[in-house]
Amino acid sequence: EPEVTQTPSHQVTQMGQEVILRCVPISNHLYFYWYRQILGQKVEFLVSFYNNEISEKSEIFDDQFSVERPDGSNFTLKIRSTKLEDSAMYFCASTLSGVAGELFFGEGSRLTVL
Amino acid sequence: DQQVKQNSPSLSVQEGRISILNCDYTNSMFDYFLWYKKYPAEGPTFLISISSIKDKNEDGRFTVFLNKSAKHLSLHIVPSQPGDSAVYFCAASVLGNYGQNFVFGPGTRLSVLP
Repeated sequence: EPEVTQTPSHQVTQMGQEVILRCVPISNHLYFYWYRQILGQKVEFLVSFYNNEISEKSEIFDDQFSVERPDGSNFTLKIRSTKLEDSAMYFCASTLSGVAGELFFGEGSRLTVL
Repeated sequence: DQQVKQNSPSLSVQEGRISILNCDYTNSMFDYFLWYKKYPAEGPTFLISISSIKDKNEDGRFTVFLNKSAKHLSLHIVPSQPGDSAVYFCAASVLGNYGQNFVFGPGTRLSVLP
């Protein structure tokens, strides 16, 4: 069964360092998303991406964040200068349909900022 | 602004009985609703969905009911099994300019007791 894959599963970094989280969405999907979940809190929307452009972004997705689909398969989330409060599970998701379809999530990347 | 609410943070049910998880929403523009199940340290897994033009959808032990006038949906699991113990997220989507925008509730932790 096709699945969304994410790497790394866990990354520990120092505050102020750049981090890149990688995702390979399901191959025929067209819409891509990043969500995060801070420990004990709800799943929060960060950004959606379609046709090589950001479709929507939340207030959380400030200038420190960027997304890219560099090669037609990978979908990356970059945090330029990490802060302590960026520590969270980051989930990549994709969907085929832009109208009504299920989001398929990856297993998540745990980011710990020290 | 909590557009999707799950007012019960936790629920305990005896094995074999029915589990009922509730979800309320405020945005009448939502046109598609989904339930996800999440185990610790894993990504959310899609369970079942319902379009806003329907009031019921059933898939095996899982049934979702939608009451549009009350802006309320519920997930019924019957019979409940210990393996159903997880956090359940209600999600709603609305069609944006470039695909669906998904909003998640805070989750309800279900414990099925043997």
